[in-house]
Amino acid sequence: DVKVTQSSRYLVKRTGEKVFLECVQDMDHENMFWYRQDPGLGLRLIYFSYDVKMKEKGDIPEGYSVSREKKERFSLILESASTNQTSMYLCASSPRVSWRNTIYFGEGSWLTVV
Amino acid sequence: DAKTTQPNSMESNEEEPVHLPCNHSTISGTDYIHWYRQLPSQGPEYVIHGLTSNVNNRMASLAIAEDRKSSTLILHRATLRDAAVYYCILRPTGTASKLTFGTGTRLQVTL
Repeated sequence: DVKVTQSSRYLVKRTGEKVFLECVQDMDHENMFWYRQDPGLGLRLIYFSYDVKMKEKGDIPEGYSVSREKKERFSLILESASTNQTSMYLCASSPRVSWRNTIYFGEGSWLTVV
Repeated sequence: DAKTTQPNSMESNEEEPVHLPCNHSTISGTDYIHWYRQLPSQGPEYVIHGLTSNVNNRMASLAIAEDRKSSTLILHRATLRDAAVYYCILRPTGTASKLTFGTGTRLQVTL
């Protein structure tokens, strides 16, 4: 069974802390994505990566960075967490030839910044 | 990126068919139409996709208008487990496609 695993399901962090959200996929996919989901706003793309060490900004990259050192792992970093980054974060992956293929999502990480 | 428009919410009775519409008037010739759904407290999951022809799978059917400016996801017999947010998205060709979701349609299914 294909799997995208997000390391933490629920986190509570303090304002100003550095936060790492980790995502691992076991399908040898080239593309990986990070989204955040807020009520009434749907899923918004933060960053995506189409290869190791490659990254592209999504629609809302401000306040975030990413790291992709290995093909299977894509990390989202909040350099200095703020309360407006309280949200549900979703990681996803898909094969390189992506437009015909399925995207697989993790179960989500609920982050609360206090 | 081409945009999709869906109703915010829809209701259906259990065991009845549901037609979920999506408008994508600025679709380009090479955009694939994908549908995903998100059950409560879970990540989205794939439902179906198509390019020009209507498509069927075990979960649903996808009807694509001849001009491709709209599509309809059809659940043939809604069950309570189909209550979810349904997203219609366009996937442009290209290896590094951005993949943008909208706000989707929240489907409520009642007994």
